[in-house]
Amino acid sequence: DARVTQTPRDKVTEMGQEVTMRCQPILGHNTVFWYRQTMMQGLELLAYFRNRAPLDDSGMPKDRFSAEMPDATLATLKIQPSEPRDSAVYFCASGLGSQTNTGELFFGEGSRLTVL
Amino acid sequence: QKEVEQDPGPLSVPEGAIVSLNCTYSNSAFQYFMWYRQYSRKGPELLMYTYSSGNKEDGRFTAQVDKSSKYISLFIRDSQPSDSATYLCAMSKSGNTPLVFGKGTRLSVIA
Repeated sequence: DARVTQTPRDKVTEMGQEVTMRCQPILGHNTVFWYRQTMMQGLELLAYFRNRAPLDDSGMPKDRFSAEMPDATLATLKIQPSEPRDSAVYFCASGLGSQTNTGELFFGEGSRLTVL
Repeated sequence: QKEVEQDPGPLSVPEGAIVSLNCTYSNSAFQYFMWYRQYSRKGPELLMYTYSSGNKEDGRFTAQVDKSSKYISLFIRDSQPSDSATYLCAMSKSGNTPLVFGKGTRLSVIA
């Protein structure tokens, strides 16, 4: 049963601490996305990769957020230093990006971050 | 103005009712239209997919796209308590570009 795996499921931390979220995309998917979900803004795209190359990270605050894909089985999203306004659910999603594909995304269960 | 607008609800209906969920969008380049369902504490899952204009039916669910009005709809017939979830519309220009999501409509179906 192929699925996107995210860790941690829940994280509570104090302002100023570093937070790292990890994602294992579905094997064979070439595109990986990081989204952030809040009640106010809904699902917002932070960054995405195709074939491990970053294509767009314009949705991320560059001074504190960084996204990497060290290999095809791991994507990371790091926040340093974290702030209370970063509290949200962070979703990783993967898919087969191509002109002939529907662009359907498969989501993980999310990492719920609370910054005190 | 956001690219995709969706009324967040909440929407509460009795079991068996017909539910209508809607989104409007501003970018005429969108060609792929999807509806995702998200249960509490879970990630969104694809429910329906439509390419360009038209209707698509799958069991109790019907998706409609009206590109001339930049308006998409999801209808749920004979709604069930298990349909209680948040429904998010999503759209993109191609299979190669990221999905843009609406905020989601929270639906409760009361038994």
